[in-house]
Amino acid sequence: QVQLQESGPGLVKPSQTLSLTCSVSGGSIRSAGYYWSWIRQLPGKGLEWIGHIHYSGSTYYNPSLKSRVTISVDTSQNQFSLTLTSVTSADTAVYYCARTVNGGYGHGNYFDFWGQGTLVTVSS
Amino acid sequence: QSVLTQPPSVSGAPGQRVTISCTGSSSNIGAGYDVHWYQQLPGTAPKLLIYGNTNRPSGVPDRFSGSKSGTSASLAITGLQADDEADYYCQSYDTSLSNLGVFGGGTKLTVL
Repeated sequence: QVQLQESGPGLVKPSQTLSLTCSVSGGSIRSAGYYWSWIRQLPGKGLEWIGHIHYSGSTYYNPSLKSRVTISVDTSQNQFSLTLTSVTSADTAVYYCARTVNGGYGHGNYFDFWGQGTLVTVSS
Repeated sequence: QSVLTQPPSVSGAPGQRVTISCTGSSSNIGAGYDVHWYQQLPGTAPKLLIYGNTNRPSGVPDRFSGSKSGTSASLAITGLQADDEADYYCQSYDTSLSNLGVFGGGTKLTVL
């Protein structure tokens, strides 16, 4: 059973950079057919997909966040990371990492294993 | 405003059947992309409930079922139980937004 665990600061100051890491256990981040995603949930609101990475390093980002987001992978550590720059209070959210199944052309992807989530608050 | 529209809330008594709708458009569900469903119990991470419109992951009871038609999809829950009380989200892909993971706004299921 794959398990994911987010880690990183719970408090970030406005205009600074948010950085989180997701550690994967119970399976290899190099497994075929999967991407590795970051998803966030704004307080009391719905879910927003941020982007994903393949173990090869290829990435795809939500166009609405693309200018501020970088996702990277460290296969030797079985981890992947999120960087979000120039944060504001609107970026306060619970951030989840998730394994993403490549559903194939015309089908779309879905998220089959999730981390427990970590709350990041943007405040001075 | 979510790309996929869900009712904010539904409710039902124990043992009853409820359905949750997810309405999209020709750039997502109507374009043929699969719909997936997640259950989020209070204070926990979302859990995959239905994938590929109708498929249940191992361990998900057959009380949960999904369907899709045209630009909409539905999640049905039969034999409602108290621990089904949760938020439910649909998810798909949207070509116009180039967004691989668009979610519905979520539906709060209350078991009366």
